Amino acid sequence: GESVGLHLPTLSVQEGDNSIINCAYSNSASDYFIWYKQESGKGPQFIIDIRSNMDKRQGQRVTVLLNKTVKHLSLQIAATQPGDSAVYFCAERSYGKLTFGQGTILTVHP
Amino acid sequence: NAGVTQTPKFQVLKTGQSMTLQCAQDMNHNSMYWYRQDPGMGLRLIYYSASEGTTDKGEVPNGYNVSRLNKREFSLRLESAAPSQTSVYFCASRHGLAGGAEAKNIQYFGAGTRLSVL
Repeated sequence: GESVGLHLPTLSVQEGDNSIINCAYSNSASDYFIWYKQESGKGPQFIIDIRSNMDKRQGQRVTVLLNKTVKHLSLQIAATQPGDSAVYFCAERSYGKLTFGQGTILTVHP
Repeated sequence: NAGVTQTPKFQVLKTGQSMTLQCAQDMNHNSMYWYRQDPGMGLRLIYYSASEGTTDKGEVPNGYNVSRLNKREFSLRLESAAPSQTSVYFCASRHGLAGGAEAKNIQYFGAGTRLSVL
């Protein structure tokens, strides 16, 4: 079956740097993508989403880029802060069902 | 507006015991979901309810049952707990109206129930 995967399981950055978290997907039928943030001991929290007919969407300090040619999704966090330390999941939707990736651990050093 | 509320937050069971995990949402959402999260794995869907009165199996339904009690509440029951069911369980809800704004497709999660089966 098709699945969502992440290139890097961990990412360490310095406070103030920009962070880029990557996600590869393999289901060409996926029409919608979501990024979630999960802090230790908490449930996933919605960050930003993007439809398959878009290639970029911006939020507050976050940008999601979608490259359908290579089936790649990325989350960019500007001016990363210690409070951004968490696990970040991408998820794809195909035929109405969400499939989640394993997650990338982002650690922000002061 | 509390969002999605799960109870209990923690539970320890012995093999063979039964229990029900409770979930309630106050966002008037139509769809509700139960996931489990295990180390090194993404969230896996156990059961879902697209609307009040309907339930469907997800990716890993074996050993579980669900009840959509009303629009607000969606419970998950373990009839005879096994050590393999040790996990963190998350409930989620989504507005779910077909053809609605994209924001209605976002799933909102509860804080989770941490279950250990000995």
